[in-house]
Amino acid sequence: EPEVTQTPSHQVTQMGQEVILRCVPISNHLYFYWYRQILGQKVEFLVSFYNNEISEKSEIFDDQFSVERPDGSNFTLKIRSTKLEDSAMYFCASSERGNEQFFGPGTRLTVL
Amino acid sequence: GNSVTQMEGPVTLSEEAFLTINCTYTATGYPSLFWYVQYPGEGLQLLLKATKADDKGSNKGFEATYRKETTSFHLEKGSVQVSDSAVYFCALRKAGTASKLTFGTGTRLQVTL
Repeated sequence: EPEVTQTPSHQVTQMGQEVILRCVPISNHLYFYWYRQILGQKVEFLVSFYNNEISEKSEIFDDQFSVERPDGSNFTLKIRSTKLEDSAMYFCASSERGNEQFFGPGTRLTVL
Repeated sequence: GNSVTQMEGPVTLSEEAFLTINCTYTATGYPSLFWYVQYPGEGLQLLLKATKADDKGSNKGFEATYRKETTSFHLEKGSVQVSDSAVYFCALRKAGTASKLTFGTGTRLQVTL
């Protein structure tokens, strides 16, 4: 069964460093999403991406964040200068037609 | 804005007990409603969904009914198993769109023998 994959599973970085979180969505899907979950808090929407552009973003998704689909398979989230409060589990999701969203296993980001 | 409120966990039950996890929502219009489950070390998986009032979503023995009058979508299962131990998330999405999911905080269920 096709699934969304994410790498790495755990990323540790120093405050102020750039990180890139990678996702491989399901191959025929057209809609892509990033969510995050700070420990003990809600899963929060960050950004959605369709037709090679951002279709929606939350107030969390400020200038420090960017997304890219550099080739036909990867979907990346970049955080330019990480802060302590960026420590969270980051989930990628994809959807074929904007209906059911399929989630990856997440990347745990720890900012020291 | 839209929001989802879930009962706090953890919920600890013995095997074969009846499960209810409460979920209420605030939204304009008629959102679609979802329950997602997260097993240890895995991503979020769609458990069931309902797209209009009075719809009942069901899967793997779990059920939830979309109640517009009480703005609720409570998750139930008649007899839980140890393998049901996981975190359960209630979520909503604006109807008919490819837009974001809005999640509740999640409820951890622990089922013991």
